[in-house]
Amino acid sequence: GAGVSQSPRYKVAKRGQDVALRCDPISGHVSLFWYQQALGQGPEFLTYFQNEAQLDKSGLPSDRFFAERPEGSVSTLKIQRTQQEDSAVYLCASSLGGWGQQGGYTFGSGTRLTVV
Amino acid sequence: SQQGEEDPQALSIQEGENATMNCSYKTSINNLQWYRQNSGRGLVHLILIRSNEREKHSGRLRVTLDTSKKSSSLLITASRAADTASYFCASIGNQFYFGTGTSLTVIP
Repeated sequence: GAGVSQSPRYKVAKRGQDVALRCDPISGHVSLFWYQQALGQGPEFLTYFQNEAQLDKSGLPSDRFFAERPEGSVSTLKIQRTQQEDSAVYLCASSLGGWGQQGGYTFGSGTRLTVV
Repeated sequence: SQQGEEDPQALSIQEGENATMNCSYKTSINNLQWYRQNSGRGLVHLILIRSNEREKHSGRLRVTLDTSKKSSSLLITASRAADTASYFCASIGNQFYFGTGTSLTVIP
């Protein structure tokens, strides 16, 4: 597609439920990032993939968060046993080059997760 | 927090005025980027400035970078109501971190 696509657009989960958020990056883009954005805050880095390799997962807040990109294209962010503090917008971004490339990154519209 | 700081947190100006936003970051960088975010939407890349550049222009946007102070500024000239949005700087080095953002309101 022409842009980064994220689904679902909105997700309401009951506390303790597992959720899976999907990101379809731009075809051929090497780098993929996940960010968490709380209301009124800037995006917080979660994890980074270069192709299928997860090179940095230092931002994942707990072991309940897991991300994968098995074929180097579509990525899934999974949150197990969701808590209310997980409520946020989850943003995905991709870029043609690797980390530190001299170019901008294309963001999806995000998935708004609400844990009730 | 991962994030750098941006100021002001909120800015309200009249259409036609200039808007200036400042950003400070924490680590050494390869480049610094500015993004715009409309309410409920993803981020849109506006402009990139490399670590060896001091100033860059793109249309009504002017970005400066001072690596000795680990700071950057974004100037939007002749603002329009459609410029109303949140603006974030992103520092790209060993990490890819966003600032806390400036909420800009341009009053018609």
